[in-house]
This record gives sequence, C-alpha cells and structure tokens, in this order.
Amino acid sequence: ETGVTQSPTHLIKTRGQQVTLRCSSQSGHNTVSWYQQALGQGPQFIFQYYREEENGRGNFPPRFSGLQFPNYSSELNVNALELDDSALYLCASSTSDSRNTIYFGEGSWLTVV
Amino acid sequence: DAKTTQPTSMDCAEGRAANLPCNHSTISGNEYVYWYRQIHSQGPQYIIHGLKNNETNEMASLIITEDRKSSTLILPHATLRDTAVYYCIVATDSWGKFQFGAGTQVVVTP
Repeated sequence: ETGVTQSPTHLIKTRGQQVTLRCSSQSGHNTVSWYQQALGQGPQFIFQYYREEENGRGNFPPRFSGLQFPNYSSELNVNALELDDSALYLCASSTSDSRNTIYFGEGSWLTVV
Repeated sequence: DAKTTQPTSMDCAEGRAANLPCNHSTISGNEYVYWYRQIHSQGPQYIIHGLKNNETNEMASLIITEDRKSSTLILPHATLRDTAVYYCIVATDSWGKFQFGAGTQVVVTP
C-alpha cells in the first residue's frame, strides 16, 4: 500500500477526445510526477508539479497538461487524443527530500480507439 | 541524470539469492541509486535507494561500489512473487523525475 491512488483504473476514449486522469498523493507529499508507459517499455517522464507549479517537463507536446491542487492531489489532461496515447499513466508522489521514498500509484490504463 | 546499464534478463532459482547488477559509470556525487520493480500491469514498487553506503531493508540489500560506478541489488531468498522487471535508476534531487531504462526481467523458477 503506497498511499497513492489513481482514477480511473481503466478507460477507453475515441481519437480526438480529451481525457482527465487523477492522482491522490500520499499525505504530506508536495511533489507529484506523471509518467506514460507504453506496452513493453519503461515509464517515460511527462512532467512534475511542486507546490502547484510545473517543475520540469519531459519530451511531451503541450496537449499534455497538468494541475496540482492545494491539497496536493493532481490531474493529467490530454487533449486531441491520438492512438499512440494508449498507455498506462502513472503518478508518483514524494516530498522535496531525496532521502525520502518516492511512491507510485497503480496507474490508469488508457485505450484510444 | 546518469544513465544505467542492466542485463536484459536473468533467471533465478526459488530460495536462492538473486544478485542484480547495474552499471552507472557516469554517476555524479549527488545522485542517488534507486531500485524499483514492476510486476506485470502494476505500478512500479519501491525496493530500496542509497547514496553511497550500502543499504538494507526488509525487501533487499543494495551494495554500491566504493567508486559508485556500479551497484548490486540482492534479493536474499527469491520467491516466485519476485518475478518482475527490475529498474535501476540514478537521479539527483529529482523528487521523482526518473529516467527509466528497459530494466532487467527477472524470472524466478521453482
């Protein structure tokens, strides 16, 4: 049990639609990172939020956007869905202390048809 | 962040120790070594991390060489449930900005 919960666990969307994925961080964790994991590959870093501000971004287009709320929960929004967006989306929460453990949620499986 | 090199796959007999190597020759002084594993279709599970000293917890031991250019994750008594992809990651004060590689597929056999 990591204390990081994601919703929904599975969803199917049509190409061109928009999707919002949610992450509830472990209590006391002010940092959340989002990852995309395509089938058979390692997770790829999308972006990170620290105290409600974006704190670094991977090689993903602007149609991938995020929010972090005052209670440190977070959303990942993807606009204009493409077939290649089909993947497992993971969030990881942490404190701003590298000595502490970083925990991942179980992910949200997105299928774009 | 430094890159890591891991074997693609490893087999291990149930009950034996599993020693998973990781090379990170370009690691810098403030980069931690993290190990996670991922069982099929689940989120990555934290195993252990360390900076320069060897670390041990209830799951595993992490041995980091003195020059910090490589490390070994040791699962002391492998079980079938340890079958997973194991990722070695080095990262600075990233708070979770990890660069995952392909990892090592570990298969524990009876």
